[in-house]
Amino acid sequence: QSALTQPASVSGSPGQSITISCTGTSSDVGGYNYVSWYQQHPGKAPKLMIFDVGKRPSGVSNRFSGSKSGNTASLTISGLQAEDEAEYYCTSYTSIATWVFGGGTKLTVL
Amino acid sequence: EVQLVQSGAEVKKPGDSLKISCKDSGYRFTNSWIAWVRQMPGKGLEWMGIIYPGDSETRYSPSFQGQVTFSADKSIRTAYLQWSSLKASDTAMYYCARHGRSSWEPLDYWGQGTLVTVSS
Repeated sequence: QSALTQPASVSGSPGQSITISCTGTSSDVGGYNYVSWYQQHPGKAPKLMIFDVGKRPSGVSNRFSGSKSGNTASLTISGLQAEDEAEYYCTSYTSIATWVFGGGTKLTVL
Repeated sequence: EVQLVQSGAEVKKPGDSLKISCKDSGYRFTNSWIAWVRQMPGKGLEWMGIIYPGDSETRYSPSFQGQVTFSADKSIRTAYLQWSSLKASDTAMYYCARHGRSSWEPLDYWGQGTLVTVSS
């Protein structure tokens, strides 16, 4: 059960949009619409930002959106703000009824 | 509102045993799956597995099967993560988090984390 593949880092300027990809296999990302994204600031617990590929929990800004195509899921953040600078992790349900995380992507707001 | 409160930081020696806890103040403890997530220093999140406190059913990630043990005491709404013989490589932050009624639901509530340091 290998970790999902995410870019190590992405960056963008305030106001811009960025997209973080998350690539798995047909046994995880491609096989289920149970992909979630978490935001983690240094020294803090992760926070759920997107679930079930593209749903937002109550209280999460609509600047955050998710999608999926085949074995790759994506998180898009529009109108970048300084407070969006954080580590982002994708995770997917798998064919053996477990979950697997991506390696994480560090978002830098320039 | 659901709150998961974890036990405090631990410093142990290799070979020691350890049990850390996660207390749920919410009302759905016995009807939710509780997950354990490891984060080694400077590294990413790793899903270790889950326990359903209602009947103590467990499911382990292949990477952690046989390395740790999950348990729960529903009378005090507390889940546990246990090691019988710690290694230096077990040094990490450990989070508990709630999946919800079904194990395919996301981790919507997280504890504050328990830092475990294993050093001789």
